[in-house]
Amino acid sequence: SQTIHQWPATLVQPVGSPLSLECTVEGTSNPNLYWYRQAAGRGLQLLFYSVGIGQISSEVPQNLSASRPQDRQFILSSKKLLLSDSGFYLCAWSTLAGSPNYGYTFGSGTRLTVV
Amino acid sequence: AQSVTQLGSHVSVSEGALVLLRCNYSSSVPPYLFWYVQYPNQGLQLLLKYTSAATLVKGINGFEAEFKKSETSFHLTKPSAHMSDAAEYFCAVSEKDSNYQLIWGAGTKLIIKP
Repeated sequence: SQTIHQWPATLVQPVGSPLSLECTVEGTSNPNLYWYRQAAGRGLQLLFYSVGIGQISSEVPQNLSASRPQDRQFILSSKKLLLSDSGFYLCAWSTLAGSPNYGYTFGSGTRLTVV
Repeated sequence: AQSVTQLGSHVSVSEGALVLLRCNYSSSVPPYLFWYVQYPNQGLQLLLKYTSAATLVKGINGFEAEFKKSETSFHLTKPSAHMSDAAEYFCAVSEKDSNYQLIWGAGTKLIIKP
């Protein structure tokens, strides 16, 4: 069965420090991968998605970046965190639309607090 | 443009009462429709999805939803609410025109009164 791992679960970082959040998927190959952010009291905002190794699409201009060094690994990074980067970050994967088990599966999330 | 509207940011029901969470979407083509549940400080868990098969979709935890094309709706229901159903619920749609990216509703927080 497919599983998705996301870590760390919580993170407190000072303003200006770097960030690296990692997400890995097991049990499937060539998944579509996504990073979402959920700010307090707000809905989900798509940050990045990837349809393959090295292929990253950015939805929102910001000081965050994403990389996909391996087929089932997706990393969210920042060189210098801002207070506004605080939020709940969710990684997700999906199969191709139209495939029998099409859908999105989410990781357990990372609560990032920038202080 | 594609959009998803969830009526009511908060819905309060008594334990044992019917749960009805409303979701309307705009789409020019048959979409895929999803309901997710999020418990505090957790990720999103898929409750059910519509993928152009049966219009009445049954999900986990006793929830179901009916796809009504004429009303562009996909409302989530449960006959009898449990305290454990207290959570936030998100409706989402994906379709070819948006390259199958998920378009999210703003979410509805379900409150269960004892």
